[in-house]
Amino acid sequence: GQNIDQPTEMTATEGAIVQINCTYQTSGFNGLFWYQQHAGEAPTFLSYNVLDGLEEKGRFSSFLSRSKGYSYLLLKELQMKDSASYLCAVQDSNYQLIWGAGTKLIIKP
Amino acid sequence: GAVVSQHPSWVICKSGTSVKIECRSLDFQATTMFWYRQFPKQSLMLMATSNEGSKATYEQGVEKDKFLINHASLTLSTLTVTSAHPEDSSFYICSARDLDRGVTEAFFGQGTRLTVV
Repeated sequence: GQNIDQPTEMTATEGAIVQINCTYQTSGFNGLFWYQQHAGEAPTFLSYNVLDGLEEKGRFSSFLSRSKGYSYLLLKELQMKDSASYLCAVQDSNYQLIWGAGTKLIIKP
Repeated sequence: GAVVSQHPSWVICKSGTSVKIECRSLDFQATTMFWYRQFPKQSLMLMATSNEGSKATYEQGVEKDKFLINHASLTLSTLTVTSAHPEDSSFYICSARDLDRGVTEAFFGQGTRLTVV
């Protein structure tokens, strides 16, 4: 079967760094997406990784290891507005997106 | 990024009535549109995938006669919740992709919060 695992909830302090992990087992792999979703709103795109390594985009970075079926989203210099759910999604061999349950990130002052 | 417009943002309807939700891709041709349902504190649940001009493909457990999907053009897909009941109350989100251009991100509409009373 297809499976995406993320921690349910994480807590971090404003100004700190947090790493949200995602492990996956899917039928084929055509890239991994990270989305941010604030409560009551639709998800917004953060990053896309298809090759191994780290992709940096401002305060957010995303890492992928295809051999390990593993990705993480790294958030630096955390701000209160970063409090949201972070969704990991893997695109399978049919280009369908398989979604993780999301990680709720709580930022404390 | 591309813009996907979903309307209405929220709707309250009486039990037994039908509600139509529209999803439009404003600046690109969406060869494929997806309809999701999301319950509080849960992730996105794919309901169906629709390709322009063809019938939607529904996920297991989703009643196609209750959730009617029409993808009449490359820029518009509609979801109609027929004979709505309180258990249909949820957050419905559409997303659009142009898979003919290869791998692309999914662009999401703003979501529709449906409350059936």
